[in-house]
Amino acid sequence: GAVVSQHPSWVICKSGTSVKIECRSLDFQATTMFWYRQFPKQSLMLMATSNEGSKATYEQGVEKDKFLINHASLTLSTLTVTSAHPEDSSFYICSAQEETQYFGPGTRLLVL
Amino acid sequence: LAKTTQPISMDSYEGQEVNITCSHNNIATNDYITWYQQFPSQGPRFIIQGYKTKVKNEVASLFIPADRKSSTLSLPRVSLSDTAVYYCLVGDQAGNNRKLIWGLGTSLAVNP
Repeated sequence: GAVVSQHPSWVICKSGTSVKIECRSLDFQATTMFWYRQFPKQSLMLMATSNEGSKATYEQGVEKDKFLINHASLTLSTLTVTSAHPEDSSFYICSAQEETQYFGPGTRLLVL
Repeated sequence: LAKTTQPISMDSYEGQEVNITCSHNNIATNDYITWYQQFPSQGPRFIIQGYKTKVKNEVASLFIPADRKSSTLSLPRVSLSDTAVYYCLVGDQAGNNRKLIWGLGTSLAVNP
């Protein structure tokens, strides 16, 4: 199947700093990528849909100014958590759309 | 977007066949049915996708009745490493609206 990578796999940061997470489709081009957040023992929650060359579409309740998404190429989308706070600590997962959605390995964010 | 209902948890033993049924009464004409597997702290892994009747690949089979209001994922001869959460999703993979709404999934425990 298609391969999607994420970097970093985990990050620890201080409250108030910004963190950038990269999502790459390694062997295919993805016009559409998705960003999810998952808290412990819970299901995936869709945060936003990222389309190459256009603005991301955010789900209700997700602050677009806090979670900046850039999809500048067909193989790369980035999620920047700005002014991170402890409540932003979570597992962030991206997916890239081919015939179906293929998921990255996830990024564990811990905000101290 | 069609909502899915699955059992919260299932128990099995090594070597047994496991069948997980998912209900999706409001599935739309263009919707496909996709199953994912997720291990703790990892991104979901694509297992199988189908539209109708039966689909089979090297790891699983997917049975979809004629009315498409449910589907059954069949895992032959499970092993301990199949212990994971299994998600059933429906969505229009070929159309413009490719969002997938994630339910709680089925937590499968394979015992020795």
